[in-house]
Amino acid sequence: NAGVTQTPKFQVLKTGQSMTLQCAQDMNHNSMYWYRQDPGMGLRLIYYSASEGTTDKGEVPNGYNVSRLNKREFSLRLESAAPSQTSVYFCASSESPVLNSPLHFGNGTRLTVT
Amino acid sequence: LAKTTQPISMDSYEGQEVNITCSHNNIATNDYITWYQQFPSQGPRFIIQGYKTKVTNEVASLFIPADRKSSTLSLPRVSLSDTAVYYCLVGDIERAGSARQLTFGSGTQLTVLP
Repeated sequence: NAGVTQTPKFQVLKTGQSMTLQCAQDMNHNSMYWYRQDPGMGLRLIYYSASEGTTDKGEVPNGYNVSRLNKREFSLRLESAAPSQTSVYFCASSESPVLNSPLHFGNGTRLTVT
Repeated sequence: LAKTTQPISMDSYEGQEVNITCSHNNIATNDYITWYQQFPSQGPRFIIQGYKTKVTNEVASLFIPADRKSSTLSLPRVSLSDTAVYYCLVGDIERAGSARQLTFGSGTQLTVLP
């Protein structure tokens, strides 16, 4: 049982390049999330999808787009990468969007933008 | 969203009980308290959740006083492998789809010494 799988694990981009971070979960969860984690700042929510077919902005959505491709997959796209987007990106899923449904996280994608 | 305050770091020795307190003075009636653990290079992992009084599972206990303005995560007899960052989250479990309930703070870095 893989849980939440993120690809790639590492990525280096030049300013202005685009890329898509992939996330898939095999737990039949309804809700999925993208976070970024910067040193000393904890995790900040970028976008989330409460259920298949819906997406909503989180705390720091600027510069990102998301696609809930199906129930299993939730991708995060950077259209024009900037150095400020250098971070570790975590995808998570939960059975439902309410707080008492624990989040299950992937192991992250470490992105560096030069 | 109830803002949370935790100590930035704590040190302990193997075999000791560790208590990490989270302050949430503005907690609302419908808010639950959830704790996560994060090891280096991994995503956070759900530990425990509660609403009031005491909750215990195989990993930890969560103590919540009657006024619910704080909560204490208790880890019995810690080992070196408990060295991690611990996050306290507070949010309304009934406000489904609210991004603000999914905000992590900076957490508490617990270091267990031999």
